[in-house]
This record gives sequence, C-alpha cells and structure tokens, in this order.
Amino acid sequence: AQSVTQLGSHVSVSEGALVLLRCNYSSSVPPYLFWYVQYPNQGLQLLLKYTTGATLVKGINGFEAEFKKSETSFHLTKPSAHMSDAAEYFCAVSPTGNQFYFGTGTSLTVIP
Amino acid sequence: DADVTQTPRNRITKTGKRIMLECSQTKGHDRMYWYRQDPGLGLRLIYYSFDVKDINKGEISDGYSVSRQAQAKFSLSLESAIPNQTALYFCATSDYREVETQYFGPGTRLLVL
Repeated sequence: AQSVTQLGSHVSVSEGALVLLRCNYSSSVPPYLFWYVQYPNQGLQLLLKYTTGATLVKGINGFEAEFKKSETSFHLTKPSAHMSDAAEYFCAVSPTGNQFYFGTGTSLTVIP
Repeated sequence: DADVTQTPRNRITKTGKRIMLECSQTKGHDRMYWYRQDPGLGLRLIYYSFDVKDINKGEISDGYSVSRQAQAKFSLSLESAIPNQTALYFCATSDYREVETQYFGPGTRLLVL
C-alpha cells in the first residue's frame, strides 16, 4: 500500500525566512511525486512534480523540492517566505500515474 | 473560463436524501477523478474513470456511485446521504499523454444534516 507522511500539520515561519515542508512516502516502485497548494476556498494547484530525471525540481512561486530515493523523501523548500505563501500544502505520490495518494496536508502560516 | 467546473459549489441536505454532484471539463482530458477532503485526512480517492466505459473504485467508494455520461462529464452520487459524508468534494482531470498531472475543480462543500 502506498502512503504519504507529512511531518507537521502546522508550520509557522517569519516573512523572509526559509520554508521547509517535509514529506516522506512509501512506494514499492519509484513513484511520481507532487506538491500541491490550496488557498482558502479554492481547489488544489500543482506547485511542482517529479517524474524522472533531475532529482531537484523547481516549481512555481520560487518553490523547489528534492527527490531523495535513499530517504524516501520529497521535501518542499523556499528560500524566503512571502505573506502570499500562507496556504495548505499537500504532498502526493502516484506509483504509476493511475491512482494518486495524498498526505494529510501542512498548513503554512507566514508571520509578518 | 474555468477548465474544470463543479456544481453545486455548496449544498446542504438531510440524512437519507439522494444527492448528485456534477463535474464538467473543457480540457479534453480522458481521465476524471472524484476525491473527498476532510480536515486532518487530506484527499482520498472515491472513484476514477479513464474513459466513458471505464469506472474504477478508489480507496473509499462505499456509499457512493458515479456516472461518466460523456468524456467531459463525471457525476458523483450519494444514494442515501449520511452525516459522515459531510466533506469537501473535488473533481480532477488528467490526460493520457501526461497522466501524472491532475487539474482540480474548485470543490463542492457538502453538509449532511
């Protein structure tokens, strides 16, 4: 069975500080990996994805994530938080691209 | 115009009532999905469809049914709604040429009293 673990349901950072949201997964095969963002009262928007190739993936809004197979991790980072980054973030995994499994989400608060 | 639309956006119903949530897409994608989102649980897959004649159960299909009326339309039904089906429901689509990328609708907030 596939699973996705997001450590920390709530993360607070100061504006301008590093954002680090953690995601670990279990998968029997190298999976597709994703980060989505959800703003209040909206659907999910894809931030970035890893399919194959370079393990450091750059996404929208200055976010990036690194696939580390040995650690089964796909942590999301951003060097400098902005107020507009406050949202809910979801990590997801898909072993084959047919079904998708989501983590429980991390709510990011940015403190002015 | 939104590529993936859901109707209604909000719905309040009573226990035992039948309710249908609808999803339409203009992206021309072949694959469509229904998820529910609960606080602290993330998104869980209810049903998915890879084309009009293909329907598959997801993690939590009990109490739900779906209909793929056309490539662009995928409906989710609760035959007899119960309070623990109160949740935020999302439709998503993807294309067979880029199966790993899903596009989400804005969601339907359902309250079952």
